[in-house]
Amino acid sequence: SQTIHQWPATLVQPVGSPLSLECTVEGTSNPNLYWYRQAAGRGLQLLFYSVGIGQISSEVPQNLSASRPQDRQFILSSKKLLLSDSGFYLCAWSVAILVQPQHFGDGTRLSIL
Amino acid sequence: SQQGEEDPQALSIQEGENATMNCSYKTSINNLQWYRQNSGRGLVHLILIRSNEREKHSGRLRVTLDTSKKSSSLLITASRAADTASYFCATVDSGAGSYQLTFGKGTKLSVIP
Repeated sequence: SQTIHQWPATLVQPVGSPLSLECTVEGTSNPNLYWYRQAAGRGLQLLFYSVGIGQISSEVPQNLSASRPQDRQFILSSKKLLLSDSGFYLCAWSVAILVQPQHFGDGTRLSIL
Repeated sequence: SQQGEEDPQALSIQEGENATMNCSYKTSINNLQWYRQNSGRGLVHLILIRSNEREKHSGRLRVTLDTSKKSSSLLITASRAADTASYFCATVDSGAGSYQLTFGKGTKLSVIP
């Protein structure tokens, strides 16, 4: 069966520090991969998605970047964090067909001080 | 941008009662999906209904879709305390090449034992 791992679960970082969040998927090949951010009490905002290694699409201009160095690995990064980067970050995967559901990791709670 | 709008924003019911949540959207869709999120966790896919379907059942869940009104409803019958969570609708636009899910802000359901 397929599983998705996302870490760390919580992270507290100072303003201006770098960020690296990692997400890996097991049990499937060539998944679509997604990074979302969820503000408190809000729905999910799609940040990036990837349909293959090295292929990244960005949905909103921001202080973050994403990379997919391996088929089942998706990394969310920042060189210098801003206070506005605080939030709950979720990674998800789906099979590479448009209509399929997405499967989410347990998220990373990021607090910027 | 958020397409789905759930109604109500919050719902509190007694265990054993039915819970109904509604979702409205704006564009033509390929399918509509409902997800559940326990506090501080990732989202779990509940049910997917395609644009050519009007009703779908899964256990205690019943989803309806009215494309003429651009709306959907999620009914949870005989609710349990464990159903306490936030529920989100998400749509896949019918535009070609759309891999994105667009989420609403969610309905927070509290089931009181």
